[in-house]
Amino acid sequence: DQQVKQNSPSLSVQEGRISILNCDYTNSMFDYFLWYKKYPAEGPTFLISISSIKDKNEDGRFTVFLNKSAKHLSLHIVPSQPGDSAVYFCAASSTGTASKLTFGTGTRLQVTL
Amino acid sequence: EAGVVQSPRYKIIEKKQPVAFWCNPISGHNTLYWYLQNLGQGPELLIRYENEEAVDDSQLPKDRFSAERLKGVDSTLKIQPAELGDSAVYLCASSLVYGSRNEQFFGPGTRLTVL
Repeated sequence: DQQVKQNSPSLSVQEGRISILNCDYTNSMFDYFLWYKKYPAEGPTFLISISSIKDKNEDGRFTVFLNKSAKHLSLHIVPSQPGDSAVYFCAASSTGTASKLTFGTGTRLQVTL
Repeated sequence: EAGVVQSPRYKIIEKKQPVAFWCNPISGHNTLYWYLQNLGQGPELLIRYENEEAVDDSQLPKDRFSAERLKGVDSTLKIQPAELGDSAVYLCASSLVYGSRNEQFFGPGTRLTVL
């Protein structure tokens, strides 16, 4: 049972435009969400997170939006840069098992010139 | 600050052979995690340590997998005997405090190929 889903395996965006990566979850106990970025032959690196008490968190070019009623979150990258080309993983955790992350299957973003 | 170190980076073995992976977490990080990542999938937790104690090993296939974290620092994950289906990337991660929202820092992983 996939509790965190990233239904788009890949996404291609032109440099300078907005990239929108989506993530859906089924477990209503999840209350903390993270995005990780992964380059080939490297481990995932933390990008941005959001608590369920918020609906938006922004860090520079990266913004995460959370829609609790729809159990949906999205990562917006504006403007997209070629260095953003990577695989992006959505992850979730719940209070009480805060260190236990459940990951989605990832979306490969390619930013073209 | 040095990141999470893993070795080897790549390992090729024949099925039924044993294999071991080593992880050195970020200095001062009490919590250590081993994840399995299959091709096209996200990381899946195998085992989680708080200091020397394995606090969650429910996803570790204990018939062939074992792990240890002596002295609460380095950790070793072992597979004996390896099967074809064990081919994957094994990731180690660490975080500062168990049970908090601290981010997990990942190592580069060990890519295992079982022939």
